[in-house]
Amino acid sequence: TQLLEQSPQFLSIQEGENLTVYCNSSSVFSSLQWYRQEPGEGPVLLVTVVTGGEVKKLKRLTFQFGDARKDSSLHITAAQPGDTGLYLCGTAGGTSYGKLTFGQGTILTVHP
Amino acid sequence: DVKVTQSSRYLVKRTGEKVFLECVQDMDHENMFWYRQDPGLGLRLIYFSYDVKMKEKGDIPEGYSVSREKKERFSLILESASTNQTSMYLCASSLRLAGLETQYFGPGTRLLVL
Repeated sequence: TQLLEQSPQFLSIQEGENLTVYCNSSSVFSSLQWYRQEPGEGPVLLVTVVTGGEVKKLKRLTFQFGDARKDSSLHITAAQPGDTGLYLCGTAGGTSYGKLTFGQGTILTVHP
Repeated sequence: DVKVTQSSRYLVKRTGEKVFLECVQDMDHENMFWYRQDPGLGLRLIYFSYDVKMKEKGDIPEGYSVSREKKERFSLILESASTNQTSMYLCASSLRLAGLETQYFGPGTRLLVL
């Protein structure tokens, strides 16, 4: 099973600040997904990155996939309280039947 | 929109009780998954199923069993609940297509075993 390390584990910031969350592995990712889980709900997919060096934007969120496909980052510009939640990265890692391995997550709190 | 529903949001059980957690999805997905989520440990896969009556062990299957008699329904069974099974349980489903492993999650069941 491919191991994913996320950092930081906790992030507490003020509204308007920028932040970056990281997801790293010692193995190459076949693809990588980022999910957000709001309190009391299940995770929801934000984006899937597949190609090394790929950059995807989703409003104030920018996702990067490392050139070597061993790392990824999620950058949030001008964070808002609505961004509060748990951010998870996950990879299929060549497994069958759609099985994903997840990192331990980053808990983000954005204070008004 | 894909909808994954779980039978209970909150459940309180006693040690030794048999516990059933039900999950239903309405998008004809082949794959279904059961995870438990604990602080600092992320999502850990308990069992998954890629077809009716088929099941595979995940990373932490001990103390759990599953049942998939119909495509839309995947049940998680705790044969004899223990306090260390107190956790958040999440069900998910996905299509069986390489490169399309997006998982759709239910809202979770928070189980407390006393």
